[in-house]
Amino acid sequence: GAGVSQSPSNKVTEKGKDVELRCDPISGHTALYWYRQSLGQGLEFLIYFQGNSAPDKSGLPSDRFSAERTGGSVSTLTIQRTQQEDSAVYLCASSLESQNTEAFFGQGTRLTVV
Amino acid sequence: KQEVTQIPAALSVPEGENLVLNCSFTDSAIYNLQWFRQDPGKGLTSLLLIQSSQREQTSGRLNASLDKSSGRSTLYIAASQPGDSATYLCAVKRNQFYFGTGTSLTVIP
Repeated sequence: GAGVSQSPSNKVTEKGKDVELRCDPISGHTALYWYRQSLGQGLEFLIYFQGNSAPDKSGLPSDRFSAERTGGSVSTLTIQRTQQEDSAVYLCASSLESQNTEAFFGQGTRLTVV
Repeated sequence: KQEVTQIPAALSVPEGENLVLNCSFTDSAIYNLQWFRQDPGKGLTSLLLIQSSQREQTSGRLNASLDKSSGRSTLYIAASQPGDSATYLCAVKRNQFYFGTGTSLTVIP
């Protein structure tokens, strides 16, 4: 596709349920990032993938959060046993490589935990 | 830890004015700096990327500068238009991106 694609665009889930958020990066981009943006807050780093290297998971807020990237392309962010404080917009970005290239963001997934 | 600050937090200007948005960061060991705009309820749109070795980049009415040694960047918008109304974010890159909290710009017709 032409840009970074995220699905679903909106997700409402009940507290305690698990959710999966999907990110399709731009074809050929080796670097992929997940951020979240809570209402009125800045962007919070979650996790970063670069090629075949071990991902940087330092931003994941708890062990309920995990992410994987299959075949160096599509990534899935999983939140287990969702809590109300998980409600936020989850943004994914990709770039050609990690250092000196422009990053492009998807439109985000708005997650609401009720 | 890298801290990124954007000033002002909000700005309202009449159409046609030139304006400057400021971004400062605490750690000069960056790969690049990128400016984004975010419209309400939307994702981030890339505006300009400045490599750490560069001093400025221009795209249309936008000009971004970078002074890495002093930890500062500015985004200059010439002849502002109502369509420029959005939140502008700067992000410095060292593996991950570190974002400022943004400047909310309103251009009044």
